[in-house]
Amino acid sequence: DAMVIQNPRYQVTQFGKPVTLSCSQTLNHNVMYWYQQKSSQAPKLLFHYYDKDFNNEADTPDNFQSRRPNTSFCFLDIRSPGLGDAAMYLCATSRAGGPDYGYTFGSGTRLTVV
Amino acid sequence: AQSVAQPEDQVNVAEGNPLTVKCTYSVSGNPYLFWYVQYPNRGLQFLLKYITGDNLVKGSYGFEAEFNKSQTSFHLKKPSALVSDSALYFCAVRDWGGGNKLTFGTGTQLKVEL
Repeated sequence: DAMVIQNPRYQVTQFGKPVTLSCSQTLNHNVMYWYQQKSSQAPKLLFHYYDKDFNNEADTPDNFQSRRPNTSFCFLDIRSPGLGDAAMYLCATSRAGGPDYGYTFGSGTRLTVV
Repeated sequence: AQSVAQPEDQVNVAEGNPLTVKCTYSVSGNPYLFWYVQYPNRGLQFLLKYITGDNLVKGSYGFEAEFNKSQTSFHLKKPSALVSDSALYFCAVRDWGGGNKLTFGTGTQLKVEL
C-alpha cells in the first residue's frame, strides 16, 4: 500500500547531540511537511517542501533544518536538541493542485531528549 | 489569517449514544475543512473533508460532519458511539492560496465509556 513511513518510531537522544529523523513516501506527492506536536497539543508546522522548494515557518527555530534529496525522502535535522524539543514529530505529504487534496500522515517519531 | 477553534478539551459520551465534537472556523475566503483522528502514539488519520457541495459530509468509520456557513461551524458527529472511537480529534482548515497549509485546532479528546 502507498504510504508515508517515518523512522524510527521512537528516538532517544542526548541533550545537544545532533539527531536526524527520516520520512519516506510512496505516494509520489509533491509536497512534504514536518510538524511538531507536544503533549496532545495541535500539530505545529515547522516547514515544508514544495518539490525542491523549501518553505520555513517564521517561528521555526534555527536549530531545526530539513533536507529533501529526492521526491521520496525528507529528513528533519535537529542540530542541538534541547529538553524543550522533546515531542512527536509528524511527517505528512500532499499532492499539489487543489484544496481538496488532504494530507497523508506518517505514524510519527516520538523524540525523547535526556 | 485562517483559524479553527475547538471549544471543548474533552467530550465524554456513553457507548451507543450520539456524539458531537464541535469546531468553528474563521477564513477570509472559501473554507476547506477537514477532520482528523489521532490514536495514542500514532499519526493523524483522515476522517472526512468539506470542499464544496452538500453540507452534510460522510466520512470513515461512520462519522459525518455538518457544514454550517451562517454559524461558521463544522461539527463532527456520529449517531452511535463506540468505545473504540475514543481518541483525539482535530479539526483543520486549509489555506488555499496562502501557502496551502493545514492549520489545526487544539484538539478534542473523546472518551466513550461503557
